[in-house]
Amino acid sequence: AQSVTQLDSQVPVFEEAPVELRCNYSSSVSVYLFWYVQYPNQGLQLLLKYLSGSTLVESINGFEAEFNKSQTSFHLRKPSVHISDTAEYFCAVRNFYNTDKLIFGTGTRLQVFP
Amino acid sequence: DTGVSQNPRHKITKRGQNVTFRCDPISEHNRLYWYRQTLGQGPEFLTYFQNEAQLEKSRLLSDRFSAERPKGSFSTLEIQRTEQGDSAMYLCASSPGDSVYEQYFGPGTRLTVT
Repeated sequence: AQSVTQLDSQVPVFEEAPVELRCNYSSSVSVYLFWYVQYPNQGLQLLLKYLSGSTLVESINGFEAEFNKSQTSFHLRKPSVHISDTAEYFCAVRNFYNTDKLIFGTGTRLQVFP
Repeated sequence: DTGVSQNPRHKITKRGQNVTFRCDPISEHNRLYWYRQTLGQGPEFLTYFQNEAQLEKSRLLSDRFSAERPKGSFSTLEIQRTEQGDSAMYLCASSPGDSVYEQYFGPGTRLTVT
């Protein structure tokens, strides 16, 4: 079985400051890793994903995440946040084998202040 | 290209009543997923289909829950004899097929059981 832990339920930060949203997972098998974002009053959208290859993956809006197998982590970072990044961020995993099921963490609410 | 649509967007029902939700996936997406999200939690997997075949069901899907996708297009999720614990946001997602593809989420149906 897999599980995902997002230790920070809320992260307040000022505009243009860097941010890191933490994600740790537990799994006995290899996994794919995802970050989804939910803007206010909108559905979940995929932000970025790690399937294989380079352990550093980037999104089109400046976020990046690094897969660290030894630490079983997939932390999300952005060097300079904008007000528009205010949203709920969910980390999710899916195992390699026999299922499409996504296992989500409890989410981190990023609040960016001017 | 319209995204995943869900109807109704909100449903208020009395305990013991039956409710049915509908999900229309993105055209030509052959995989369809249902998740449930309660306040302060990440989405939890319920079930998914490839075309009309239901491939996996979560243990969360009790005997009171049934999902169908009769023609491999839209899907319905029915909850019989609703309980207050069923109050949640019910999310539908679809994907083009292979499991490494992104799951595209709809806006959800919010169920309140009084």
